Amino acid sequence: AQTVTQSQPEMSVQEAETVTLSCTYDTSENNYYLFWYKQPPSRQMILVIRQEAYKQQNATENRFSVNFQKAAKSFSLKISDSQLGDTAMYFCAFMKPLGAQKLVFGQGTRLTINP
Amino acid sequence: NAGVTQTPKFRVLKTGQSMTLLCAQDMNHEYMYWYRQDPGMGLRLIHYSVGEGTTAKGEVPDGYNVSRLKKQNFLLGLESAAPSQTSVYFCASRTGSGSTYEQYFGPGTRLTVT
Repeated sequence: AQTVTQSQPEMSVQEAETVTLSCTYDTSENNYYLFWYKQPPSRQMILVIRQEAYKQQNATENRFSVNFQKAAKSFSLKISDSQLGDTAMYFCAFMKPLGAQKLVFGQGTRLTINP
Repeated sequence: NAGVTQTPKFRVLKTGQSMTLLCAQDMNHEYMYWYRQDPGMGLRLIHYSVGEGTTAKGEVPDGYNVSRLKKQNFLLGLESAAPSQTSVYFCASRTGSGSTYEQYFGPGTRLTVT
């Protein structure tokens, strides 16, 4: 079974700083997908970024980028020029593309952006 | 286009009571999922469905039942609620085709069992 670990329960940075959230996972699969979801105080789950394991190039979405290290089974999220609206819980998630395509989530990191 | 909706948004039950949570999606998605979110544990899969009339167990199915009689609806039932089922419940759906694999989430239902 796959497991996802986020070792930073909480993080706090000043507005405009860059912050990196860590995620590691364990799998014997070669083809899979990784995701970062954001959950603001509204509780809504919002997809931030996705990465296909077969792609070597790291995914980027505006101020959000990932550092995907397949051999190390590491998938960190970097937020550049952080904004107050980035304050949220962030969840890393793993998915196999075959079958039911279930998401396996990490425990989450609570990120606070301070003014 | 409302996306994924969940009814109700909040509920308080007494131990032993039963209830049904309704998830509805208007995106014609084949796959639907029920997760629960507990502090410090992320989201865990309860049950899922890969199509109308089909359901399967996820990671934490005990104490829950589900039904998918219509493609757009996925119901989660608690026959005899227990305090351990106090949680926030999320429904999600996704299309069975395409390569994005994105799951779309509802707003969640906060359930308290006293």
